[in-house]
Amino acid sequence: AQSVTQLGSHVSVSEGALVLLRCNYSSSVPPYLFWYVQYPNQGLQLLLKYTTGATLVKGINGFEAEFKKSETSFHLTKPSAHMSDAAEYFCAVSEAGGYNKLIFGAGTRLAVHP
Amino acid sequence: DTAVSQTPKYLVTQMGNDKSIKCEQNLGHDTMYWYKQDSKKFLKIMFSYNNKELIINETVPNRFSPKSPDKAHLNLHINSLELGDSAVYFCASSQGSGLATDTQYFGPGTRLTVL
Repeated sequence: AQSVTQLGSHVSVSEGALVLLRCNYSSSVPPYLFWYVQYPNQGLQLLLKYTTGATLVKGINGFEAEFKKSETSFHLTKPSAHMSDAAEYFCAVSEAGGYNKLIFGAGTRLAVHP
Repeated sequence: DTAVSQTPKYLVTQMGNDKSIKCEQNLGHDTMYWYKQDSKKFLKIMFSYNNKELIINETVPNRFSPKSPDKAHLNLHINSLELGDSAVYFCASSQGSGLATDTQYFGPGTRLTVL
């Protein structure tokens, strides 16, 4: 069965530092890949997604992610962290050719300190 | 304007009770979903409906029954509530027929606490 692994349940960075949140998936057939953000006591908001085409995907709020098939990875990055980036980040996949059943990773809590 | 709304936002109830959570979307989407987020923040899909037809039904106890009166609404009814049902329940919607590439838009969540 498809699974998603997010390395690091908590990541802490300084304001202005690089943000790197890791995501690996298990399927041998590349799935569709998503990153969602959840601010405290709110629902999830899509940051970006990869379906086909260019493997470097740009999203909202300055985030981007690169699909690397050889590494079965879809890591999320942002060059310079802002205090407002503090949130829970979820990587998710859905199977190509299937219904829109998102399978989520366990999430990474990003803390940004001054 | 709220895109995906859920009521109530908080629900506290006793074991054994029956309760419902309502979800409405004003995005004109054809597909709606219910997810459960447990205390460790793990999110898992429960159900999905496309144009009032059930298309995804995960291994969820039959105490949970979704109902879609029209494509803008997807309600979740839970019978005989158990302690383990305590969680945050999220409704979501997406355009189209529920393809794997579609973006899902999430509601704010309903925090259910079973005492």
